[in-house]
Amino acid sequence: EPEVTQTPSHQVTQMGQEVILRCVPISNHLYFYWYRQILGQKVEFLVSFYNNEISEKSEIFDDQFSVERPDGSNFTLKIRSTKLEDSAMYFCASSELRAWDEQYFGPGTRLTVT
Amino acid sequence: AQKVTQAQTEISVVEKEDVTLDCVYETRDTTYYLFWYKQPPSGELVFLIRRNSFDEQNEISGRYSWNFQKSTSSFNFTITASQVVDSAVYFCALSEASLGDKIIFGKGTRLHILP
Repeated sequence: EPEVTQTPSHQVTQMGQEVILRCVPISNHLYFYWYRQILGQKVEFLVSFYNNEISEKSEIFDDQFSVERPDGSNFTLKIRSTKLEDSAMYFCASSELRAWDEQYFGPGTRLTVT
Repeated sequence: AQKVTQAQTEISVVEKEDVTLDCVYETRDTTYYLFWYKQPPSGELVFLIRRNSFDEQNEISGRYSWNFQKSTSSFNFTITASQVVDSAVYFCALSEASLGDKIIFGKGTRLHILP
């Protein structure tokens, strides 16, 4: 069964450093998403991406964040200058149709900012 | 105001008991979608069900069932004859047509199934 993959599974970085989280969505899906989950809290929407542009973003997704689909398979989330509060699990998801379609989530990348 | 409220933070039941997880949502849209996701201890998010606002028919899938009631803005989830493997955090979520691609999650209910 096709699945969303994410790398790395765990990333440790120092405050102020740039990080790139990588995702490979399911190949025939057209919509891509990033969510984050601070430890023990709810899952929060960050951004959705369609047709090579951001279709929706939350108030969390400020200028420190950017997304990109650099080639036909990868979907990346970049955090330019990490802060301690960026420590969280970051989930990538993809869906064939819009958000109301079933979203398939990746296993997540745990980001720890020290 | 919270759009998705899961009032039960944590529930513990003994194996084989039935358990219902509550979800109350708030929306002004006439077109919206409701979801349930399971997050086991391993951390991944597992899709369980999607229901659109025009379909109030209840659904049963094995030991899982969902009760959607627009009159009370609720979308409750029942596990029948619970098993230890059902132990997880369960999230209810809402997607509103007017908000495009954003899915709003509730805070989750942590379910412990005791052997």
